[in-house]
Order: sequence, then C-alpha cells, then structure tokens
Amino acid sequence: QVQLVQSGAEVKKPGASVKLSCKSSGYTFTSYGITWVRQAPGQGLEWMGWINAYNGNTNYPQNLQGRVTMTTDTSTSTAYMELRSLRSDDTALYYCARGTVQLGLVRWFGPWGQGTLVTVSS
Amino acid sequence: DIQMTQSPSSLSASIGDRVTITCRASQSISKYLNWYQQKPGKAPELLIYAASSLESGVPSRFSGSGSGTDFTLAISSLQPEDFAAYYCQQTYNVPLTFGGGTKVEIK
Repeated sequence: QVQLVQSGAEVKKPGASVKLSCKSSGYTFTSYGITWVRQAPGQGLEWMGWINAYNGNTNYPQNLQGRVTMTTDTSTSTAYMELRSLRSDDTALYYCARGTVQLGLVRWFGPWGQGTLVTVSS
Repeated sequence: DIQMTQSPSSLSASIGDRVTITCRASQSISKYLNWYQQKPGKAPELLIYAASSLESGVPSRFSGSGSGTDFTLAISSLQPEDFAAYYCQQTYNVPLTFGGGTKVEIK
C-alpha cells in the first residue's frame, strides 16, 4: 500500500534550520509530486509548497520564499523539506503528502505522512 | 491569493443526521476544490477531490458538489467515526489555500 513515513520530532533554537524527510513507498515516486503542509497547535492547515518528483520543479508561497527548500532523492523515494531562520511561530506539525499532478500543478493530496513535530524554542 | 471561507466553523449533530458544510472561494476556481477530514491527533485524509469525486475507500455517505465559487460537502447519515474537522482546499492557483475548517461535534 502507499505509505509516506516522516522523520522524527525536532527541537530547534530560533535562527536555526531544520531538514525533515518523507520516505515514500508503494507507488512510482516520480509519477507524483510531494507537497508539505504545516499545522500550528490548535490551528488550521497551511500549504508550504510542492516539488514535482519527476523533474524537481518547485513552487513555494510568497511568505516562505527564501526560507524553504524542497528536494527529492529519487534513488530512495525520499523527499526533504528544509526551513531556515526558524522563529517561534514556525512551531507546528509538518506533514508531507503525495500530490497528484494535473496540468502542471499538484491538484489533490493523499495519502499523507504521519507528521513531524517541530518545536522552536530558546 | 484566493481566500476560502468555510461555514459553519463548528456544528453539533446527532448520529444519523444529514450534515452539510459549505465552502466559498473569493474567485472562481472551476472544480479545483478538495475536501479533507482530520481526526484529533491524526493527519488529514482526502475525502473528495475535484469538487465531486469520491476518493477510493471513502464511504458513499460523503458527497461533494459545486463549481465556480460555491461548494458543499454533505454527509448523508452521520456516523460516530465522522466526528472530526473538515477542511476545503482550492488547487486552482498558487498559493494553494485551505478553508479555516469545520469542527463536527456530537450533540
């Protein structure tokens, strides 16, 4: 079955960077995209961007441009998301999800990884 | 950016009730609208994609409708496992955006 397994919880100080991983199995990795979504405690869902696993193209929202980088390792079917210059409001659960691509954009997300808690605190 | 407005933000319902949740986009998004369910402590799960297509494995009591700016998620007969938060999402244009969520609680 299709599965996405994320790396473990992280605790970081403000200003540091974090790099999360998301290992996929059960499907052809390069036939889909990988998207990242975060959820601050008690809050809703925020889209962080996506990467096309076929060609490596990425798209990030304006508010994260310059701080986020998404990459993939097709040899291990693993996606990575690095977030730099961490702030306290980056404290959240970070999810990866498989994205179905149509007309050059990821159109729906599923299944999702189990989530990685990132805590930013001095 | 396209704003997605869900209503209500929360509702109380009984087992067996028909429940509807609406989602309005700030501009036309054609049929690029998805619905997700999130249970406490769990990752979201895809229920409906492209406004009305039922994701594989999702019970048929869930249905989606709409196009343009107005969309609806319906649960025909609420079951105990349906008490959760529901989010709509537009994927018409970047940045992809989610609605604020609807929490369905037991009456």
